[in-house]
Amino acid sequence: DGGITQSPKYLFRKEGQNVTLSCEQNLNHDAMYWYRQDPGQGLRLIYYSQIVNDFQKGDIAEGYSVSREKKESFPLTVTSAQKNPTAFYLCASSVPSTGFFEKLFFGSGTQLSVL
Amino acid sequence: GQQLNQSPQSMFIQEGEDVSMNCTSSSIFNTWLWYKQEPGEGPVLLIALYKAGELTSNGRLTAQFGITRKDSFLNISASIPSDVGIYFCAGRNNAGNMLTFGGGTRLMVKP
Repeated sequence: DGGITQSPKYLFRKEGQNVTLSCEQNLNHDAMYWYRQDPGQGLRLIYYSQIVNDFQKGDIAEGYSVSREKKESFPLTVTSAQKNPTAFYLCASSVPSTGFFEKLFFGSGTQLSVL
Repeated sequence: GQQLNQSPQSMFIQEGEDVSMNCTSSSIFNTWLWYKQEPGEGPVLLIALYKAGELTSNGRLTAQFGITRKDSFLNISASIPSDVGIYFCAGRNNAGNMLTFGGGTRLMVKP
């Protein structure tokens, strides 16, 4: 079945450590996104990529980095510069529709916690 | 960034009751989407709205695109325990591709 796979489900980060969250999709979608969710809050956009080898900062990109070397993959690295990384991270993808992207399909998320 | 105000923040209702929640914005949107998120999972799209005044149903769920284009409403009729979750609205204006999400309405249903 087609879908978006995020791994791992749970991740722990030590102080000063970089960690990478994986996101893979087999939906043949062009665009991919990373969102951060904090308890009781809405989703905030970290980075997005409309095509391979191109990505743009979202509203809260500081302390994060991404790459888009393949259409299917959009890994997110949480760097040591992100001082408050504990959150639920959601990856999503979408296809262009009537000239703009919409109808995001989400993965199951990765819960990142700081040790 | 833009803000979407979603209310209520949480609801605790009895099974069988109807539910209403809404989302308001200070700016005009061209698209409204409603998502449901269950614990530990990603949001799933429920309903998409594209025209002011549009009323769309998905089973027991009905959503409306407000006439002013600054709000949207979601109703759930005859709630059941599996309706439990967080319901998010999301809107898009014509200034860019990205969605703005509301803070969510947490729904709890008592059997």
